[in-house]
Amino acid sequence: DTGVSQNPRHKITKRGQNVTFRCDPISEHNRLYWYRQTLGQGPEFLTYFQNEAQLEKSRLLSDRFSAERPKGSFSTLEIQRTEQGDSAMYLCASSPPRESGLDSGANVLTFGAGSRLTVL
Amino acid sequence: KNEVEQSPQNLTAQEGEFITINCSYSVGISALHWLQQHPGGGIVSLFMLSSGKKKHGRLIATINIQEKHSSLHITASHPRDSAVYICAVRYNYGGSQGNLIFGKGTKLSVKP
Repeated sequence: DTGVSQNPRHKITKRGQNVTFRCDPISEHNRLYWYRQTLGQGPEFLTYFQNEAQLEKSRLLSDRFSAERPKGSFSTLEIQRTEQGDSAMYLCASSPPRESGLDSGANVLTFGAGSRLTVL
Repeated sequence: KNEVEQSPQNLTAQEGEFITINCSYSVGISALHWLQQHPGGGIVSLFMLSSGKKKHGRLIATINIQEKHSSLHITASHPRDSAVYICAVRYNYGGSQGNLIFGKGTKLSVKP
C-alpha cells in the first residue's frame, strides 16, 4: 500500500463539461474525506465518508457536486456542468478507524497528492 | 464565524534558527492538526493534539486550550523544512471527524 492515490493528477476541461476524480485510500482506513484548495488558501472541507456512508457534506458542495463511496473502499467526486470557479486542487484524505487506536498519532490523516482541476 | 488564524503568513529563516509558527482559533475544539504542505501539493500530517505537547524529531507542537492557541516549533531548522505549515481544527459544536477548518498556512523558507 503506497498511501492515498488520486487520479487524474491534473484535469483540464471546458466550462460545462462533467469531470470525475477518483480517490483510493489506504486499505485499512475506513474514513475518507474530500477537500478543495485554491491558490494561497488552506483546504476547505467538502465531504466525509465512514465506510460507504456519507456522513457529512459541506454547504460548499452544491448540487453540481456528488461524491460516492459505493463499497467503502475507493471514492469518486463528480462535478457536473463545471464552472471556472470550480478550478482548484481537490484533495482526498483517509484515516483509520477510531477503535484501532491508530487515530491519534501523526498518521491520523493521510492525504493524497491531489487532483488539480482547470476549467477553461 | 469560526476561523483559524495563523501567524506569520510568511517566514524566512537562516539554517539553524529556532522557528515558531502560531495558530489561534475562536471557540472550543476537540482536536487540532498541524500539517506540512510541500510545493506541488503533497500534504503530510505532522501532529494531532487535543492537549499539552507533542514532539517528533526536531518538531514540537503545543496547545493551550484555555487561550485557544497552538504553536509549532522547529529546532535547528534546515532548508528541507521549507514548506507551508497549516493548522486545522475540529470544532466542538458538532463538526464531524472530517469537518476540519483550516488556516491559510504559514510559508516557511529556510536559507542555507
